[in-house]
Order: sequence, then C-alpha cells, then structure tokens
Amino acid sequence: LAKTTQPISMDSYEGQEVNITCSHNNIATNDYITWYQQFPSQGPRFIIQGYKTKVTNEVASLFIPADRKSSTLSLPRVSLSDTAVYYCLVVLLGNTGKLIFGQGTTLQVKP
Amino acid sequence: DVKVTQSSRYLVKRTGEKVFLECVQDMDHENMFWYRQDPGLGLRLIYFSYDVKMKEKGDIPEGYSVSREKKERFSLILESASTNQTSMYLCASSANREAKNIQYFGAGTRLSVL
Repeated sequence: LAKTTQPISMDSYEGQEVNITCSHNNIATNDYITWYQQFPSQGPRFIIQGYKTKVTNEVASLFIPADRKSSTLSLPRVSLSDTAVYYCLVVLLGNTGKLIFGQGTTLQVKP
Repeated sequence: DVKVTQSSRYLVKRTGEKVFLECVQDMDHENMFWYRQDPGLGLRLIYFSYDVKMKEKGDIPEGYSVSREKKERFSLILESASTNQTSMYLCASSANREAKNIQYFGAGTRLSVL
C-alpha cells in the first residue's frame, strides 16, 4: 500500500528558500505528483504538479528524482503569507487509481 | 474561477442523528470527492464519484454513504452520527479522470457530534 511521509512542521524566516520533501513508494508510474497549500479556514489549493525532473511556475518549483520515490517542493524567498500547511498528493500503483494525500507539513515563516 | 460550495461551515448534531452534508460545484466537473481532515492525519478520502450516479469507496467509507443524482451535487450522508465522526469535512471536484489530481476544494464543514 502506498504511503507518504512528510515532516510534520518546519520553521523558516522571511526571504529564505524552503524545501519540503515528501517520500512516497508504490506510486503509479504514469500519474502526476501534486502539491497543495492550505490556509486556516480554507480548503487546500493546488499549487504545482510534476511527473519527473523539475517543474517551475510562478509560485514554486517541484523536483522529482528519476525513481519517483520522493518529491521536493521548493518555495523561493518565502514571506509571512506563505505560512500554511503543504500537502503532497500521489496516485496509488495499480488499477485502483486512488489518490493519497500526505499528512501535511505546517510551515511557519517568521519575520 | 471554479466554485465549490459546501452548504454549512459549522454543524452540531447529536449521536444517532442522520446527517447530510451537501456540496455543489459550478464548473461542470465530472469528478467529485469527499474527505475528512483530522489533526495529524491529513486528508483522508471517504468516497468519490467519477460520474452521475457512480460512486466508489475511498480509504475510510465505513459509517458514510454518498449520493450523486446530479452532476453538480455530491452529498455525504452519515446514517447514524457518532462522536468519532466529529471532524472537518472537505468536498472537492476535478474536471475529469485525466485531471483527477487537480482538485478544487470547498471551504469545509466542521461537524461536531455530541
């Protein structure tokens, strides 16, 4: 059964780069790895997806090694407003195609 | 923008009551999902639906059922609420199976069962 592992919490300071890694095994070979951001009192919000190597958008970068057993969300130069919970989302290997969210990483950005 | 609306932000019910949580999306999405969110456990999938009148069990379907009579509406039903179902419930939708990983979430319903 696929399992994901993320750090429970991380602290950072404004202006720093933050990297959050999600470890995942037994994930589908043909599906995206996806990351979400969640602020208090809101539902999670999609921020980035990737299949392999590196993907970058206006919000973040996502690094995925060739074996796809982990993925790293990189937030450049964080600000106080990046304080949130970050989740990885993967798809189970096999024909079930079920989606599995990680337990979430609470990022606290300090001034 | 996609809008996913959950009927209640807060709900208080008594043990044994039948509870309906309603979710409506306005973007003609094929897929809809129900999750519960608990501290330390992240989001856990209860049920999902890839089409009208279709439903599939997620990881924790016990004690829940769902209904999808119309494409835009996905209802979660607690047949007989119990205190261990006190939680935050989140509804989501995605365009289709190919984009099932890109989900749009509602703001959530915080349910307390007394």
